[in-house]
Amino acid sequence: AQTVTQSQPEMSVQEAETVTLSCTYDTSESDYYLFWYKQPPSRQMILVIRQEAYKQQNATENRFSVNFQKAAKSFSLKISDSQLGDAAMYFCAIKAAGNKLTFGGGTRVLVKP
Amino acid sequence: DGGITQSPKYLFRKEGQNVTLSCEQNLNHDAMYWYRQDPGQGLRLIYYSQIVNDFQKGDIAEGYSVSREKKESFPLTVTSAQKNPTAFYLCASLGIGSTEAFFGQGTRLTVV
Repeated sequence: AQTVTQSQPEMSVQEAETVTLSCTYDTSESDYYLFWYKQPPSRQMILVIRQEAYKQQNATENRFSVNFQKAAKSFSLKISDSQLGDAAMYFCAIKAAGNKLTFGGGTRVLVKP
Repeated sequence: DGGITQSPKYLFRKEGQNVTLSCEQNLNHDAMYWYRQDPGQGLRLIYYSQIVNDFQKGDIAEGYSVSREKKESFPLTVTSAQKNPTAFYLCASLGIGSTEAFFGQGTRLTVV
């Protein structure tokens, strides 16, 4: 079984500041992928960033970066220079063997102007 | 344009009736998924399919059924056995060897 836990229901950040979202996961597989998805009010799911478990280097996509701690099964997302358009629900997800794609409960990000 | 389409966007049904949600993709993806999302909640996996004529239960399969007769299509039936069917339903697809899942726009099902 694989599980994803997001312990922060909501996070608030000032525009231009940095916010970090937490995610822990559990899987018995050694080969897997981790993702962060963004869901704005439109409810369209948008891939923000992905990380392959066998890669030690943390993934980065513009203002978004992750801190992948494999031994601790932790996968946090850092949003730098927050913008109003970053306000959304953010979901952490894992895909392991068998293509099962499991999501966490989500963290709502509020951006204050 | 390639994509994944869910229809309809809004669906209303009376309690006790079965209802089928449509999901079609023209991305040539092998894997397809159905998720349920309740207000302010995460995505919970209902069923997923890796190939035609094969599918697996997710975490909340009770009260739901699926079929995968064609690669492009993965319809979800919400049966009368589902206790709380009112929710937002998302369909997704994933290509073999790919790591990015594509999502439909979702169907909001309301059972009255």
